[in-house]
Amino acid sequence: SQKIEQNSEALNIQEGKTATLTCNYTNYSPAYLQWYRQDPGRGPVFLLLIRENEKEKRKERLKVTFDTTLKQSLFHITASQPADSATYLCALPPSGGSYIPTFGRGTSLIVHP
Amino acid sequence: GAGVSQTPSNKVTEKGKYVELRCDPISGHTALYWYRQSLGQGPEFLIYFQGTGAADDSGLPNDRFFAVRPEGSVSTLKIQRTERGDSAVYLCASSLLGTIHEQFFGPGTRLTVL
Repeated sequence: SQKIEQNSEALNIQEGKTATLTCNYTNYSPAYLQWYRQDPGRGPVFLLLIRENEKEKRKERLKVTFDTTLKQSLFHITASQPADSATYLCALPPSGGSYIPTFGRGTSLIVHP
Repeated sequence: GAGVSQTPSNKVTEKGKYVELRCDPISGHTALYWYRQSLGQGPEFLIYFQGTGAADDSGLPNDRFFAVRPEGSVSTLKIQRTERGDSAVYLCASSLLGTIHEQFFGPGTRLTVL
């Protein structure tokens, strides 16, 4: 069955460092992958979409890579700040042409001042 | 406000009762989605509307769950004979089209079934 794996353990890092979050998937051949941010008590907020023919995408301090051979996406936040503390979710479209994303469980990032 | 709004923000009910959760999407967004999120999990798809019709309701867990969008804007998720296992945050999202366009989520309704 299709599966999206994100580390369930929180990632703790020091302010100023680069945070790297991982999204692995199995039994998918996604045409794209999305990353969302979710703060407590709020709905997810879309951050970035990367397509299968793009190796890397950047937006300000964010960088996403997409390796369809490894079936993995890495999400990087450079020069991290305490305000970056949140849960980060990856999402993929299911097989069969649907564009309704399936979400991973998310990884909590805590940036310490 | 310009965002997706959901009411109520919190709903506590007793097992067996009927509840309605409301979603006001962003004006002009034709696609509307309902998700359910349990603690420590990602959002789980329930139903998707394109305009007034339910284009995909494959995520509804059983026939106690039903959703409508009669005028292609506001949507109501209805849960009959609630069970304790229905307790979760119910999220609504909207997008311009039912494609890979960015989804805009509301803050969710936290449903607690006692």
